[in-house]
Amino acid sequence: DAKTTQPNSMESNEEEPVHLPCNHSTISGTDYIHWYRQLPSQGPEYVIHGLTSNVNNRMASLAIAEDRKSSTLILHRATLRDAAVYYCILKGNAGGTSYGKLTFGQGTILTVHP
Amino acid sequence: KAGVTQTPRYLIKTRGQQVTLSCSPISGHRSVSWYQQTPGQGLQFLFEYFSETQRNKGNFPGRFSGRQFSNSRSEMNVSTLELGDSALYLCASSSTRSVRISPSEQYFGPGTRLTVT
Repeated sequence: DAKTTQPNSMESNEEEPVHLPCNHSTISGTDYIHWYRQLPSQGPEYVIHGLTSNVNNRMASLAIAEDRKSSTLILHRATLRDAAVYYCILKGNAGGTSYGKLTFGQGTILTVHP
Repeated sequence: KAGVTQTPRYLIKTRGQQVTLSCSPISGHRSVSWYQQTPGQGLQFLFEYFSETQRNKGNFPGRFSGRQFSNSRSEMNVSTLELGDSALYLCASSSTRSVRISPSEQYFGPGTRLTVT
């Protein structure tokens, strides 16, 4: 699986936007960019995913660089509930060794201050 | 829809024993994946089942096994427990049949916290 690089930690204030970066310079043309987050004492939670175009959903926005070598998860107004570990994951669609497998890195620990 | 449920939530076992953990996926989801989470190794993929067949397997010893039933419920078993097996075991379900269209999101349960003494 192609590797992703994320900052170990980031901090934000409540109600401010947060931009969480992810580098994936070895991404292949068929890799989707997925983001999950894990709140304390819970299982990971799906946030968003995309292939080439920017994506928006009720939780966040995903901005993907034109060369796809990096992406940014955007939380438009951080709340205390957004404090979590955020994982950027590349997910292939080649079948076989891709089935059901998410390869988690260390992620970014997001701290949100009141 | 009810989420992914895992039982039991907490378990304490002794070295050398074996353990079975259970996972009920979201209704209609046929793919179930299992993960192990430890402070040292993070989240690691164990295996994935679809329609009662193991389709993918991570890098874990043969002491870790699983199965899936016709109703998509899944169990994982760890035999001859070692201290290092102490971890949070997570299962996730997905509606994906084929990842060739678009790999769909996985929905995780709360996990089973296994402590081996």
